Amino acid sequence: KAGVTQTPRYLIKTRGQQVTLSCSPISGHRSVSWYQQTPGQGLQFLFEYFSETQRNKGNFPGRFSGRQFSNSRSEMNVSTLELGDSALYLCASSLRSGSSYNEQFFGPGTRLTVL
Amino acid sequence: GNSVTQMEGPVTLSEEAFLTINCTYTATGYPSLFWYVQYPGEGLQLLLKATKADDKGSNKGFEATYRKETTSFHLEKGSVQVSDSAVYFCALSDRNTGNQFYFGTGTSLTVIP
Repeated sequence: KAGVTQTPRYLIKTRGQQVTLSCSPISGHRSVSWYQQTPGQGLQFLFEYFSETQRNKGNFPGRFSGRQFSNSRSEMNVSTLELGDSALYLCASSLRSGSSYNEQFFGPGTRLTVL
Repeated sequence: GNSVTQMEGPVTLSEEAFLTINCTYTATGYPSLFWYVQYPGEGLQLLLKATKADDKGSNKGFEATYRKETTSFHLEKGSVQVSDSAVYFCALSDRNTGNQFYFGTGTSLTVIP
């Protein structure tokens, strides 16, 4: 069974630009969550999508948005990039939402560098 | 609210040494607890989990026991190998917050031959 895939793996942008990251969950998984990982803040939850609906959102500004498609693939978008947005963005998929028993399976991440 | 406090690193051990990485948590509900491992340049991999009090998760020689009375989930391994060098994250999920995981800050482990 293929794992979680994320594209692109590396991205370099300049301040003010916008970026779209893509995540394909494990086949059959309907929940996709996004995390930002930085050396200073560690792993922080961005949002979760389940059945094309945002189920939960972390404490990030509105410049960070996402969506999920009918095939469970998800995209996240960051507009008006800032230097502080440089991070590893991780996507995780789970079978379902709303249960604390869920394992999350992580992709390799997209390394975003903002210059 | 929910939070995880994890032992500060980095930790450097000799091969075959005993490993303990401390993890304590605060949760409003009934959390499940997890240990994830991250190798350089990769995403997180689930190492082990426990879903209720007194459960012991184990995998690849690593163990952790869910202790409700001390709100802890310490990771242990009896004899580490060089290949165990990685960053280890303790995490919790709470059914009240769905799939939002709360992670500790991570503990970097280096095992030297």
